[in-house]
Amino acid sequence: DTGVSQDPRHKITKRGQNVTFRCDPISEHNRLYWYRQTLGQGPEFLTYFQNEAQLEKSRLLSDRFSAERPKGSFSTLEIQRTEQGDSAMYLCASSLVGADEQFFGPGTRLTVL
Amino acid sequence: TQLLEQSPQFLSIQEGENLTVYCNSSSVFSSLQWYRQEPGEGPVLLVTVVTGGEVKKLKRLTFQFGDARKDSSLHITAAQPGDTGLYLCARYNFNKFYFGSGTKLNVKP
Repeated sequence: DTGVSQDPRHKITKRGQNVTFRCDPISEHNRLYWYRQTLGQGPEFLTYFQNEAQLEKSRLLSDRFSAERPKGSFSTLEIQRTEQGDSAMYLCASSLVGADEQFFGPGTRLTVL
Repeated sequence: TQLLEQSPQFLSIQEGENLTVYCNSSSVFSSLQWYRQEPGEGPVLLVTVVTGGEVKKLKRLTFQFGDARKDSSLHITAAQPGDTGLYLCARYNFNKFYFGSGTKLNVKP
C-alpha cells in the first residue's frame, strides 16, 4: 500500500506528558500537511512542509507544538506538556507541489486525561 | 475570507432517498474538493472541480460547481447505508487547503 500512513492510530496520555506522532507520506509527494480535527468540525490547518522546509505554521500551533521533516520524507509532530484541550484527531496529508489535491492518512486520535 | 459554509449540518434519511448537500463561500474558488470521512478515519478525496458550471459524476454521486465558482453541490441518488459519513468540501488557496465543517449524513436501512 503506497498511501499515507500515520502512527500510532490511537494515543492516550496524561496531562503534562509529551507525545510524538509520525506521518509517512506518499513517496513521491513533496508537500506534507498537518491538521487537527475536533468532533463535528472540519480539519484545521496546523503546518506544512515542502520537502524538508517548514513553510508555514498556523497561529493555532502554540510553542508546545513542534513539527519536523528532517529528510523531506516522513514527518513528526510533537506536543509537549499536553493539555486536555489537545485531545483531537491529528491528520496528515500529502500532495505534489502546485497540485490542488491532497491525500490523507488515517489519523492519530489523541486523548489527554 | 476563506470561510466555507456547508449545509445542512446534519441529514438523516432512509435508504433509497435522494439528497443534496451544499458548500458556499463569498469568494471565488480556483478549485474545490469534496471528501468523505468515516468515523475514526481520515478524509477520502472524492472529486476535484475546477471549471465554473462543471458537473462530475461518480456512480450515484453528482458534483456541481457553480457558474461563478463560489458554490458547489453534491447530489446522491438512491442513498445507501454505505454512504453514511461526514462530507467535507475544501478549497485550495495560497498553498493551503481550507475546509468547511461538513455535513454529517446518516442513511438508515
